[in-house]
Amino acid sequence: DVKVTQSSRYLVKRTGEKVFLECVQDMDHENMFWYRQDPGLGLRLIYFSYDVKMKEKGDIPEGYSVSREKKERFSLILESASTNQTSMYLCASSLGVQPQHFGDGTRLSIL
Amino acid sequence: GQNIDQPTEMTATEGAIVQINCTYQTSGFNGLFWYQQHAGEAPTFLSYNVLDGLEEKGRFSSFLSRSKGYSYLLLKELQMKDSASYLCAVRDGGATNKLIFGTGTLLAVQP
Repeated sequence: DVKVTQSSRYLVKRTGEKVFLECVQDMDHENMFWYRQDPGLGLRLIYFSYDVKMKEKGDIPEGYSVSREKKERFSLILESASTNQTSMYLCASSLGVQPQHFGDGTRLSIL
Repeated sequence: GQNIDQPTEMTATEGAIVQINCTYQTSGFNGLFWYQQHAGEAPTFLSYNVLDGLEEKGRFSSFLSRSKGYSYLLLKELQMKDSASYLCAVRDGGATNKLIFGTGTLLAVQP
């Protein structure tokens, strides 16, 4: 079974902090994705990556950046956290055009 | 623009059949996915349609009409554990595996 692991289930940070969310997958998938999920808005794509060191902006990249130095790891960075970035963050990975597999999510609160 | 519509909430009775509809208007189309998400958990893949017609997988079936921009997920012999959100997602026409998600349908199964 595919395993997508997000480093934290719950995280509390302060406004202005630099925040790192980590995601690791164990199935050699080339595609990795970061979403945020908010009530009434569904899953929205922040960034995705289709290869090491490659990244593409999704629908809502403002205020975020990503890093993919190794194939199995995809990091989401909040450069200067703000309260409107309080959300559930979900990481996913996929092999080619196969279905995406999701991690359990990180519920991030920015105070 | 990109738009995926699904009902916000539905209620059904244990043992019954329920149909969850999804309509989409996207700039490209390369397949439609259904995911199930229990509260506080990761979305899990249920079904995939890329050609018109019905795909059956146990108690769950999914239908697609590309000309109408329409899909439905059919759940038979409902069980209490089917209470969850059901997410419709369209893969756009590009070379990546990028998905556009609807806001999800929260299904409550009652005894």
